[in-house]
Amino acid sequence: KAGVTQTPRYLIKTRGQQVTLSCSPISGHRSVSWYQQTPGQGLQFLFEYFSETQRNKGNFPGRFSGRQFSNSRSEMNVSTLELGDSALYLCASRTGTETQYFGPGTRLLVL
Amino acid sequence: TQLLEQSPQFLSIQEGENLTVYCNSSSVFSSLQWYRQEPGEGPVLLVTVVTGGEVKKLKRLTFQFGDARKDSSLHITAAQPGDTGLYLCAGGPYNTDKLIFGTGTRLQVFP
Repeated sequence: KAGVTQTPRYLIKTRGQQVTLSCSPISGHRSVSWYQQTPGQGLQFLFEYFSETQRNKGNFPGRFSGRQFSNSRSEMNVSTLELGDSALYLCASRTGTETQYFGPGTRLLVL
Repeated sequence: TQLLEQSPQFLSIQEGENLTVYCNSSSVFSSLQWYRQEPGEGPVLLVTVVTGGEVKKLKRLTFQFGDARKDSSLHITAAQPGDTGLYLCAGGPYNTDKLIFGTGTRLQVFP
């Protein structure tokens, strides 16, 4: 089985722009979670989608949003980028409450 | 806010040495997971402990969940350069599927 894939792997944007990141879960996995990882704050939960519905949400501003499609693929969007949004964005998929499998991440640099 | 503090933050040791990483919280968790993350990759699950006082062994790695389900430890015997990476604990609170990640321990094992 192919693992979790994330695109793009690297991205450079400037302040004020918006960005869309994509995550394809492992086949058969209906839950996709997104995390932000930074050296200062560590790994923080953004949100989780299950069957196209947001099931859980972390403590991030409304500039961070996501969605899930009927094929379980998920996208997250960050609008009006700030320098502090520079981070590694990870997505993870699982079948239900079982083990999460993480993708390699998208490294976003905001200049 | 539930926090998981890991100690030490950084560990630099010689091959063959033993080490212990600690993960502590003031909150009770239903389960505790340990991950290892290598540069450019997402975290990979090593183990899940669910019972207070539980001890699990994975080759040279020994994981323990505290009796009160608030803390955990990871002990590595005879560390090898291949053990190098970022070790993360993650707790599963009772009232949600969200995972709370620890602050991380960066381990470097020199040959």
